Amino acid sequence: QVQLQQWGTGLLKPSETVSLTCAVYGASFSQYYWTWIRQPPGKGLEWIGDTDFRGRTYYNPSLKSRLTISVDTSKNQFSLRLTSATAADTALYFCARSKDCSSTICSDAYDLWGQGTLVTVSS
Amino acid sequence: EIVMTQSPATLSVSPGGRATLSCRASQSLSINNLAWYQQRPGQAPRLLIYGASARAPGIPGRFSGSGSGTDFTLTIGSLQSEDFAVYYCLQYNSWPRTFGQGTKVEIK
Repeated sequence: QVQLQQWGTGLLKPSETVSLTCAVYGASFSQYYWTWIRQPPGKGLEWIGDTDFRGRTYYNPSLKSRLTISVDTSKNQFSLRLTSATAADTALYFCARSKDCSSTICSDAYDLWGQGTLVTVSS
Repeated sequence: EIVMTQSPATLSVSPGGRATLSCRASQSLSINNLAWYQQRPGQAPRLLIYGASARAPGIPGRFSGSGSGTDFTLTIGSLQSEDFAVYYCLQYNSWPRTFGQGTKVEIK
């Protein structure tokens, strides 16, 4: 059974770095992309970015200058770092499974999600 | 970037009634990689529909998706109490991926 388990710092001050990690259990790490999505309190979902096992990444243009998504294939984990955090980065952050679907219909993209980690940026 | 626009923002439906939700893309999706999600308070989104019209495993038959190109629809027939939630569409045809802003289905 595929599971995504995520963790990271829940409370940080403005200008600090959001740092989260997601571990993948029971899935072929190299067959998928791995993604971060967030949801500010009371608002909608925002795609943050995707990475594959080689470290090929796609980022939300609005976050690209502050964002790094990396992988550790030895541990089947991927991580998010978002620098210079502000109150606008306060959100519930989810990791999820994804895929390159540019040439075919995908049934297993964005289908499995982690439990979510609440990140609060406050002075 | 493909902008996804959902309508209406809120939909009031009686239990047992039918709900029709719309999602429009600013550019045509060359492949219908369009998903619908249900999100209840405090929970992660749950995949309902992928490929615009295919139900995800375990999703009841009252949920159906249709559409292609730029216009997509999620229909919920005979709404049950657990269906009152927020629904999002997501295009994963191209990067950057983009979500609609959501439709809240509430009890009338």
